Amino acid sequence: DTAVSQTPKYLVTQMGNDKSIKCEQNLGHDTMYWYKQDSKKFLKIMFSYNNKELIINETVPNRFSPKSPDKAHLNLHINSLELGDSAVYFCASSLERGTGEQFFGPGTRLTVL
Amino acid sequence: GQSLEQPSEVTAVEGAIVQINCTYQTSGFYGLSWYQQHDGGAPTFLSYNALDGLEETGRFSSFLSRSDSYGYLLLQELQMKDSASYFCAVGKGSTLGRLYFGRGTQLTVWP
Repeated sequence: DTAVSQTPKYLVTQMGNDKSIKCEQNLGHDTMYWYKQDSKKFLKIMFSYNNKELIINETVPNRFSPKSPDKAHLNLHINSLELGDSAVYFCASSLERGTGEQFFGPGTRLTVL
Repeated sequence: GQSLEQPSEVTAVEGAIVQINCTYQTSGFYGLSWYQQHDGGAPTFLSYNALDGLEETGRFSSFLSRSDSYGYLLLQELQMKDSASYFCAVGKGSTLGRLYFGRGTQLTVWP
């Protein structure tokens, strides 16, 4: 029944490690996104994929690599984690552009020690 | 680039009406969205304005003036459960789904 799901919900890791976050949507949407929300609640778009193709890359360090195996899944892999990567990462999806409505997953709280 | 300004905090009592303003500066403006986020939760969509005027959805209404680069979210008959952060977000038209969020307004509703 869950529209947009993410795993894991919490991720605690050491600096320098590599980690992945998975996202799946069962809404039949064509477009998926990754957002980063920092400790001050600033929500910033990182990537957008439409039908498995990268549409937006908002000057995110290349340590972050999204992968979309199909239009229902968008995963985020992060290499060489840094302290500043600690944040909540949200996956979202939308049906079409121009409606301003996106459906967000529950978020993954990443803590880098 | 783009910038959005909205108040950082607003407080009100149950049953009251609150207006959260949002001013923006951006190129390629497509529309203005509003999202609600409870502590520990995900942002949830409230409303969207692409054209000037007022959109009403139950107790919530949203307004847009494109010429003034200004919008607001109006919350009526406030309830305790409305305590949350509210974000305005500009949509940019040339690229699918690109939303840029303001820094959010923390609304606290007192009994």
